[in-house]
Amino acid sequence: NAGVMQNPRHLVRRRGQEARLRCSPMKGHSHVYWYRQLPEEGLKFMVYLQKENIIDESGMPKERFSAEFPKEGPSILRIQQVVRGDSAAYFCASSQYGLTFTDTQYFGPGTRLTVL
Amino acid sequence: TQLLEQSPQFLSIQEGENLTVYCNSSSVFSSLQWYRQEPGEGPVLLVTVVTGGEVKKLKRLTFQFGDARKDSSLHITAAQPGDTGLYLCAGGTGTASKLTFGTGTRLQVTL
Repeated sequence: NAGVMQNPRHLVRRRGQEARLRCSPMKGHSHVYWYRQLPEEGLKFMVYLQKENIIDESGMPKERFSAEFPKEGPSILRIQQVVRGDSAAYFCASSQYGLTFTDTQYFGPGTRLTVL
Repeated sequence: TQLLEQSPQFLSIQEGENLTVYCNSSSVFSSLQWYRQEPGEGPVLLVTVVTGGEVKKLKRLTFQFGDARKDSSLHITAAQPGDTGLYLCAGGTGTASKLTFGTGTRLQVTL
């Protein structure tokens, strides 16, 4: 059973370009979470999605960032017009039931975004 | 805003020593999880505690959830170089799905 997969592992963009980060959850998992980790910091929640629905986007910046989890295919985190402050590691996690009380979130290896 | 403070931030010890990492908050959590993260990788779950006062052991690691479910500790006995990594606590609330992560403790164990 493959774990959570993320690609690319490393992404370099120039200021103003778009970044697309992909996440394939574990088999049987329909809940996906995106977190951002700045250098030497803990992870910060961004968004929680179920298939075709955004459940909680309270941690997502209001501008330039969007996320989707279509019926078919991976979840996508999209960052438009990237700025240097977007440089970070972006982690995706998936879970089976969607409640932290009884569920486990399994993390992918992350995408390291560098904005030049 | 829920915050989880970990202490110490950095810890460098020799093989065979014992250590304790603390995770503290002013907020109550319904579950508390501990992860270890290695450079270039995602966090890997070590344990989940859900009951106030709960103690769980995983080989040389002992995890405790505070009685009031606001704090937790991780104790490692006879540390080994393979224990080196970033240790993160993360709190969950019953009705929300997002995890609130702590500030992290970077542990280095040398021979």
